[in-house]
Amino acid sequence: GAVVSQHPSWVICKSGTSVKIECRSLDFQATTMFWYRQFPKQSLMLMATSNEGSKATYEQGVEKDKFLINHASLTLSTLTVTSAHPEDSSFYICSARGGSNRDTQYFGPGTRLTVL
Amino acid sequence: RKEVEQDPGPFNVPEGATVAFNCTYSNSASQSFFWYRQDCRKEPKLLMSVYSSGNEDGRFTAQLNRASQYISLLIRDSKLSDSATYLCVVRYTGTASKLTFGTGTRLQVTL
Repeated sequence: GAVVSQHPSWVICKSGTSVKIECRSLDFQATTMFWYRQFPKQSLMLMATSNEGSKATYEQGVEKDKFLINHASLTLSTLTVTSAHPEDSSFYICSARGGSNRDTQYFGPGTRLTVL
Repeated sequence: RKEVEQDPGPFNVPEGATVAFNCTYSNSASQSFFWYRQDCRKEPKLLMSVYSSGNEDGRFTAQLNRASQYISLLIRDSKLSDSATYLCVVRYTGTASKLTFGTGTRLQVTL
């Protein structure tokens, strides 16, 4: 099946720093990528949707200047959490759609961010 | 009201038991329905799609009632390895096919 990777799998950073998370589709071209956030014991919440070569569409309540998304190629999307604060600590999961089964979303393994 | 609602559990059942999870959704424009499984600190993985006619995959049976906006998942002959959180997921029409997740129902299968 299709594989989506994320890097890093976990990161600990100081408050005020920026963190970049990479999401790659390894064996298919992802026309659309999604970024989710999941707090403990809560559901996955969609943060933004990005299509290759165009600006991301952010969900209501998600600050686009704080969560910068770049989808520069069909196999790579990045999420940068700028000026991270402890309340940004969460599990960030990307998902990609494309390839031969265009209707299926494949999830990456997630990145656990802890901001001290 | 949440768009997708589930009983968070936990459901503690002995090995071999049959267990059922329910889910309700609020948007009647919902188009597609899924059950995902999520293990602790891992990403969600698709368990099965849910069709109006009901569908079965081994020990797992999913049912959809569009009139009541209700989805169910039945697990027969529970295994220890079934312990996980089960997420009810819907996809709405006209919204770029975004998935909306429930908070999940936690299942713990014990010896």
